[in-house]
Amino acid sequence: SAVISQKPSRDICQRGTSLTIQCQVDSQVTMMFWYRQQPGQSLTLIATANQGSEATYESGFVIDKFPISRPNLTFSTLTVSNMSPEDSSIYLCSAGQGTYEQYFGPGTRLTVT
Amino acid sequence: GQSLEQPSEVTAVEGAIVQINCTYQTSGFYGLSWYQQHDGGAPTFLSYNALDGLEETGRFSSFLSRSDSYGYLLLQELQMKDSASYFCAVRPGGATNKLIFGTGTLLAVQP
Repeated sequence: SAVISQKPSRDICQRGTSLTIQCQVDSQVTMMFWYRQQPGQSLTLIATANQGSEATYESGFVIDKFPISRPNLTFSTLTVSNMSPEDSSIYLCSAGQGTYEQYFGPGTRLTVT
Repeated sequence: GQSLEQPSEVTAVEGAIVQINCTYQTSGFYGLSWYQQHDGGAPTFLSYNALDGLEETGRFSSFLSRSDSYGYLLLQELQMKDSASYFCAVRPGGATNKLIFGTGTLLAVQP
């Protein structure tokens, strides 16, 4: 198993600014992912964070808006750029060891005013 | 496109059995997972089916029919703590093990 922490746990940001969310795993993992979840809704995959190379984005998400870094096998960041109120959501990091199970962080609750 | 449909809400009483269905339409399929998420919490893994049939893990069981693009999660001996959202998720394949999540089912267990 893996234990995942995220920082910050929540934030309130102004329109037009950017926020970087950090995701730390307590062990080396093969895969790391970033999701977005509106309260009461399902999880939407933003991208797969690839170690040492550019992230793989899902349809509807672009690197300019959601730049992702993954410098090593235990850490990743997601930046939400030029924020608007529509970006208000919960952002979740997950990690996998190459099998079917993913472990999720507690999430970052973002409110954009 | 890819879609996974679930009932939005299910209500049951303590001690009962409840079944949460999931129908999927995806471009690839390597398996169906189930996750539980309590309000304000992180999703946690419950079960996984790669092949047709029933997988049992304690009070929880999961079933898959690949020919019908259908699966379900069966919760037995319901407890109040089972009140949560339940999501099915498809692993569409490829090398990334990414998951595509269903619409989610909010289960309310009543005394």
